[in-house]
Amino acid sequence: DAGVIQSPRHEVTEMGQEVTLRCKPISGHDYLFWYRQTMMRGLELLIYFNNNVPIDDSGMPEDRFSAKMPNASFSTLKIQPSEPRDSAVYFCASSLPLAAGELFFGEGSRLTVL
Amino acid sequence: GENVEQHPSTLSVQEGDSAVIKCTYSDSASNYFPWYKQELGKRPQLIIDIRSNVGEKKDQRIAVTLNKTAKHFSLHITETQPEDSAVYFCAARATNFGNEKLTFGTGTRLTIIP
Repeated sequence: DAGVIQSPRHEVTEMGQEVTLRCKPISGHDYLFWYRQTMMRGLELLIYFNNNVPIDDSGMPEDRFSAKMPNASFSTLKIQPSEPRDSAVYFCASSLPLAAGELFFGEGSRLTVL
Repeated sequence: GENVEQHPSTLSVQEGDSAVIKCTYSDSASNYFPWYKQELGKRPQLIIDIRSNVGEKKDQRIAVTLNKTAKHFSLHITETQPEDSAVYFCAARATNFGNEKLTFGTGTRLTIIP
C-alpha cells in the first residue's frame, strides 16, 4: 500500500478563496482523521470519521470549515472562505479500529493564505 | 475532553547522553499512549506506544514509562545520536467504543549536539 495520500502538497491562495484538501486513506482502515499543525497550537484534531461517518467534529474551528467522506477511499476538507489565520499544515491520518492503535499520517498539505 | 501537557518544549543534549520528555494527561479513561517523531518537513511517525496495563516498554534505545495513578508518562532515549534530532509528540487516547480521539501534546524539539 502507498500509505495515506494527500493532495495538494502545497497550496497558496488569496484570502476569500475556497480551498479543498484531499485525502486517500490506507485501504482497510476504518478511521480517518484530519489534523491541523501550527507552531502555536501544535497538532489539533479537527474531525474524525468511522466507516465514512463523522464521529466528532468538535475541533472544526468554525462554519468556514467542512469535511466529507463520501466513500471509504476518499475524504475532503474544505475551507470557504479562507483567511490568513488558516495557514497551516493539514494532515490526514488513518487507522484500524480500536485496539490496533497506530495512526498513519499522510505527507500533509501546506496551506498558505495571503 | 482530554488535555495533554508536554515538557520541555525544547531540549538540547550532547550526543551519547540521554534525553527525557515528560507528559501528563487529564482523562483517567485514557488507556493508550503513543509517541510520535516528526523530522523537519516530514509526517509524524509512531516510534513507540504503551497501554495502560503495562508500566514500562522498551525498544532498543527508546523506552516509555507510564504512571496511571499520577497520570503521567515519559519517553527516554539513551545513547542519543544525531538522527534523533526531531520534534517528539506524546499523545493519549481512550480506546473505548465510540471514542477514538488521539489528543497530542504540544511537542518537544530535541536537538542532539555532536
